[in-house]
Amino acid sequence: DAGVIQSPRHEVTEMGQEVTLRCKPISGHDYLFWYRQTMMRGLELLIYFNNNVPIDDSGMPEDRFSAKMPNASFSTLKIQPSEPRDSAVYFCASSPYWDRGRDTQYFGPGTRLTVL
Amino acid sequence: GDSVTQMEGPVTLSEEAFLTINCTYTATGYPSLFWYVQYPGEGLQLLLKATKADDKGSNKGFEATYRKETTSFHLEKGSVQVSDSAVYFCALSRGAQKLVFGQGTRLTINP
Repeated sequence: DAGVIQSPRHEVTEMGQEVTLRCKPISGHDYLFWYRQTMMRGLELLIYFNNNVPIDDSGMPEDRFSAKMPNASFSTLKIQPSEPRDSAVYFCASSPYWDRGRDTQYFGPGTRLTVL
Repeated sequence: GDSVTQMEGPVTLSEEAFLTINCTYTATGYPSLFWYVQYPGEGLQLLLKATKADDKGSNKGFEATYRKETTSFHLEKGSVQVSDSAVYFCALSRGAQKLVFGQGTRLTINP
């Protein structure tokens, strides 16, 4: 399996522009997660989906952020408009199912976003 | 709420030294505990895990034991290598697939 795929790997944009990050989870995985990593705040869970349905978006920082999962093999995280404080590494992760001892998440390589 | 606290980094050791990275947690019930590792420029990878008290997780020479009485899950390795240089994250999960991460500990091994 190719693992979790994210694109782009690097994104540089200017303040006010729309940014779309993409994720392809591992085939057959029921859960998909979006995380943000910064030096100041560490790893933060933004939102996660189960079977394409958003379950918990309490970590989404504000209305400028939105996430969708139109099908089992694709998800997007959109920031509109972007701000310099959104600069971070964004990770997507997927997981096959929840069962005690099996709730392992598989992370993609991340997208490094820089907002100028 | 649930939280994970790791020892402050960065940690710098010489090759073949003994490694301990401390991790303590706060959570109700019986969480699963994890150590993830992040190599430069990559995403996180699961290193080891334990799902109940007194379980020991192990992988690649690393070990950690789930200690409920001290709410700890310290990571240890008897002899580190340069290739172990990375950032290590302790994490917990109480189900529903939500992981709570510690702040990460950067480890550098010098030859």
